[in-house]
Amino acid sequence: EIVMTQSPATLSVSPGERATLSCRASQSVSSNLAWYQQKPGQAPRLLVHGASTTAIDIPARFSGSGSGTEFTLTISSLQSEDFAVYYCQQYNDWPPAYTFGQGTKLEIK
Amino acid sequence: QLQESGPGLVTPSETLSLTCTVSGASIRTVSYSWSWIRQPPGRGLEWVANLYFDGATSYNPSLKGRVTTSADTSKNHFSLKLSSVTAADTAMYYCARNFFHLPTSGKGYFDLWGRGTLVTVFS
Repeated sequence: EIVMTQSPATLSVSPGERATLSCRASQSVSSNLAWYQQKPGQAPRLLVHGASTTAIDIPARFSGSGSGTEFTLTISSLQSEDFAVYYCQQYNDWPPAYTFGQGTKLEIK
Repeated sequence: QLQESGPGLVTPSETLSLTCTVSGASIRTVSYSWSWIRQPPGRGLEWVANLYFDGATSYNPSLKGRVTTSADTSKNHFSLKLSSVTAADTAMYYCARNFFHLPTSGKGYFDLWGRGTLVTVFS
């Protein structure tokens, strides 16, 4: 099983500032990585796939980077609606054995 | 759109049964598969199962032997059954579309999600 580790567990950032979230895979997943945002009481929403391709209707302030085992999600200028929990997910395994990171909670500083 | 349905309360040792009704897309499409993902209260996401257009399945190894998923193409819905449940199976259960990152890869990311249904295992 590929283990996904996110850091930090909680990130406190002020509105308007940049947030950088990290995700590490226990072995290479190439660029087969997605990021999701989850707000309280809601289902997760896809933000990024292919490590760096922003999903449809996602604001340009969200960007993903990385490959192999190290990945980053950057939110360039935090808006109030961005405070949520963020998960990474790898989809490199075959047969599929998808795994998620444990999540990073982005909170208002 | 995806919509989960099923009992919100299940007795320990019994079988949890859920259905996901899909609208706006056929579950027989080759470009994606259909998934179940769960989230225990206050915790992270765990992939449970995948169902492919041809009826093939893939399951989380930690649940293998207890979980099955299948489709009813006439109703355009798919189902999840999890047997011998315990309190550890209490979770929000989501169905989702698993979009293949390459057309024939058979694996990908979750681009559409249902709103989820909370299942509590309680006697």
